[in-house]
Amino acid sequence: QVTLRESGPALVKPTQTLTLTCTFSGFSLSSSGMSVSWVRQPPGKALEWLALIDWTDDKFYSTSLKTRLTISKDTSENHVVLTLTNLEPADTATYFCARVWGVSGLGSFDYWGQGTRVSVSS
Amino acid sequence: NFILTQPHSVSESPGKTVTISCTGSSGSIANNYVHWYQQRPGRAPIIVIYENNERPSGVPDRFSGSIDSSSNSASLTISGLKTEDEADYYCQSYDSSMFWVFGGGTKLTVL
Repeated sequence: QVTLRESGPALVKPTQTLTLTCTFSGFSLSSSGMSVSWVRQPPGKALEWLALIDWTDDKFYSTSLKTRLTISKDTSENHVVLTLTNLEPADTATYFCARVWGVSGLGSFDYWGQGTRVSVSS
Repeated sequence: NFILTQPHSVSESPGKTVTISCTGSSGSIANNYVHWYQQRPGRAPIIVIYENNERPSGVPDRFSGSIDSSSNSASLTISGLKTEDEADYYCQSYDSSMFWVFGGGTKLTVL
């Protein structure tokens, strides 16, 4: 059974750095074609893709946020960590992690965590 | 920038059929798979169509997907509408420069 769970602070201040952890089970990020991605959703708005890390440790970032994002994995611990620097109120959103299975962008986001709400406010 | 455009909202009556479109801004939408997600309020998205027209196990066959290269668009069709289908629906695809892209979402109202 595949599960993912996001964890991190609910409230952060502007200019601070946000660190989110995705803990997953039921699959291995070492398996060929496997990836974990982060997606966020501001209140009342659409889904926005942020970053993805694949089984080879290749990393991909949203072009609009790539200077502020870092994604990493701890395969042995089944964790994927996302950091977002220099936070601003516009980063207030629910952050989801999801599994992506498939190569070269072909895969779908087939399993999702329940999401974690993050508010950026002083 | 590669953008997927969806209608903001659609509505239809129970038992009827509705189609939600997803139009690519450039290139050919047929070059990469389109996937569709359903999101109910306060919940995480779930996949309802993958690889243009494939249904995951557990998704009713009332849900179907298609690609129309002539209009550079993908469509999600839901037949025999039920009140439980009321949700936001997102299309998603891949672009070599933008990577993974979601559409703006469509709110389906079943009334």
